[in-house]
Amino acid sequence: EPEVTQTPSHQVTQMGQEVILRCVPISNHLYFYWYRQILGQKVEFLVSFYNNEISEKSEIFDDQFSVERPDGSNFTLKIRSTKLEDSAMYFCASSAGDSQPQHFGDGTRLSIL
Amino acid sequence: GQNIDQPTEMTATEGAIVQINCTYQTSGFNGLFWYQQHAGEAPTFLSYNVLDGLEEKGRFSSFLSRSKGYSYLLLKELQMKDSASYLCAVGYSGAGSYQLTFGKGTKLSVIP
Repeated sequence: EPEVTQTPSHQVTQMGQEVILRCVPISNHLYFYWYRQILGQKVEFLVSFYNNEISEKSEIFDDQFSVERPDGSNFTLKIRSTKLEDSAMYFCASSAGDSQPQHFGDGTRLSIL
Repeated sequence: GQNIDQPTEMTATEGAIVQINCTYQTSGFNGLFWYQQHAGEAPTFLSYNVLDGLEEKGRFSSFLSRSKGYSYLLLKELQMKDSASYLCAVGYSGAGSYQLTFGKGTKLSVIP
């Protein structure tokens, strides 16, 4: 069964550094998403992406965050200057349609020191 | 923001049936989804409802009443491996965009 893949599985970074989290969505999906989950808390929506542009973003997704689809398969989340509070699990998801079930990758655990 | 309410924790016995309820605000509603999440893992899609009624998928069923802003997930013949958090997520549409909002999840413990 096709799946969403994310790399790396764990990223440790110094505060203030830039990080790029990578995702390969399911190949025939057109809608891509990033979520985060702080330890012990709920899954929070960050951003949705369709047709090479952001279609929706949450209040969490401030100017420090950006997303990109650099080629036909990858979908990346960049945090320019990381803060301690960015430590969380970041999940990428994709779906065939905007109201269709979203399928999640295994996540990247981001630890900011 | 959108409010989604579900019980924090539930306990049930192996082999039994358990119902996990979820209530939500109805403005812009476009689909209700149930996910399973084991500790430290990704959410896994279980079931979804767009129209009122019951959707059955093996041991899992999900029900939706849009007029009441209410859904439940029914798990039958509980197994120990069903111990996990169950996340209710509601899709909202507005101004050409779509967003999935998750509840805090219900932690289900299945005991022998």
